[in-house]
Amino acid sequence: DQQVKQNSPSLSVQEGRISILNCDYTNSMFDYFLWYKKYPAEGPTFLISISSIKDKNEDGRFTVFLNKSAKHLSLHIVPSQPGDSAVYFCAAHKTGNQFYFGTGTSLTVIP
Amino acid sequence: DSGVTQTPKHLITATGQRVTLRCSPRSGDLSVYWYQQSLDQGLQFLIQYYNGEERAKGNILERFSAQQFPDLHSELNLSSLELGDSALYFCASSVSPSGANEKLFFGSGTQLSVL
Repeated sequence: DQQVKQNSPSLSVQEGRISILNCDYTNSMFDYFLWYKKYPAEGPTFLISISSIKDKNEDGRFTVFLNKSAKHLSLHIVPSQPGDSAVYFCAAHKTGNQFYFGTGTSLTVIP
Repeated sequence: DSGVTQTPKHLITATGQRVTLRCSPRSGDLSVYWYQQSLDQGLQFLIQYYNGEERAKGNILERFSAQQFPDLHSELNLSSLELGDSALYFCASSVSPSGANEKLFFGSGTQLSVL
């Protein structure tokens, strides 16, 4: 039962342009959403998060948008840099319950 | 460095064998999670412990078991190994058991290869 879905396995973007990574979820009870970044041979590292009471959270070049009615969140990276090339996982949880992760989107930023 | 330590980094073994993966959480974190990442798969939740007690169970096979010790480190035991158990196993920790606005901090994983 995949409660968090990332339908794009990969994405390629030119350096300096915007990268938009998408994530859909099915459980309307989720109240916290996170994005993780993973380089090869390393564990996922926390990137940015958003509470369900917000619709946008920004941290430097990274912005996460949450559309609760559509059960959709997205991560925007502007401007994209070659060092952003990694696999990005979205995750969601309801307070007191386990975290659910998507299958990841592999981002390649082309210099 | 997330502060979560996993050993060993790589493990190669044969079918039918048993292995133990070890995880030390971040200092101060009481909750430990185990995840499995197979090829082209996301992070599949296996099991969670909080302060020594099992807190939640996911898609963990009966051949797999885990425990969290009084010093809060955790071990994941995989037995009667099959080829399909080859995967990257991650441990993560957090302060509390999925509290509000909780984040997980991951170790670098153990790559298990069953031959």
